[in-house]
Amino acid sequence: AQSVTQPDIHITVSEGASLELRCNYSYGATPYLFWYVQSPGQGLQLLLKYFSGDTLVQGIKGFEAEFKRSQSSFNLRKPSVHWSDAAEYFCAEDSGGSNYKLTFGKGTLLTVNP
Amino acid sequence: GAVVSQHPSWVICKSGTSVKIECRSLDFQATTMFWYRQFPKQSLMLMATSNEGSKATYEQGVEKDKFLINHASLTLSTLTVTSAHPEDSSFYICSAGPGQGGSEQYFGPGTRLTVT
Repeated sequence: AQSVTQPDIHITVSEGASLELRCNYSYGATPYLFWYVQSPGQGLQLLLKYFSGDTLVQGIKGFEAEFKRSQSSFNLRKPSVHWSDAAEYFCAEDSGGSNYKLTFGKGTLLTVNP
Repeated sequence: GAVVSQHPSWVICKSGTSVKIECRSLDFQATTMFWYRQFPKQSLMLMATSNEGSKATYEQGVEKDKFLINHASLTLSTLTVTSAHPEDSSFYICSAGPGQGGSEQYFGPGTRLTVT
């Protein structure tokens, strides 16, 4: 079955430090991959997405992600974290079926220390 | 960007009653809408997929008679939780998209349901 793995349940970084959130996908040779962010009690906001082409994808809020087929990974990065980045981050994969359902990872909670 | 709204944002109901949650795409036509359920500190679990004008497709383990989904127009889908019980308390999120391969889904802000 299709699965998305986010190995880190909780990450804590200091403000200004760099960040990398890991994501591994399991489906398909041509995956559609997404990173979403969720603030407490809120819906999801798309940070970035990868469909094809350049494997380094730029998103909003200074985030980027790199698609590595050889590692089945799509890790999210930010060079300098801001306190407002504290939130839950979800990696997701489009199944590519007739309804294009998303499969989500379990999420990584990011805490930012001042 | 595309906006999806949900109403109500939170609702408290008594056990045994039914609750309807609306999901609207405000500035685009949504061929496909998805309903998710999210438990505290957990990921989103897809409940069902609805396409405008047709019956919803439910995920395995989701009771279709309990969670009634209607997608009557290209901008509105509703989820009705029938005969709600405390275990139905959860955060329900909808998303909408054009239903094309690899296309982005736009998420609503979610509805917090508490059943007492």
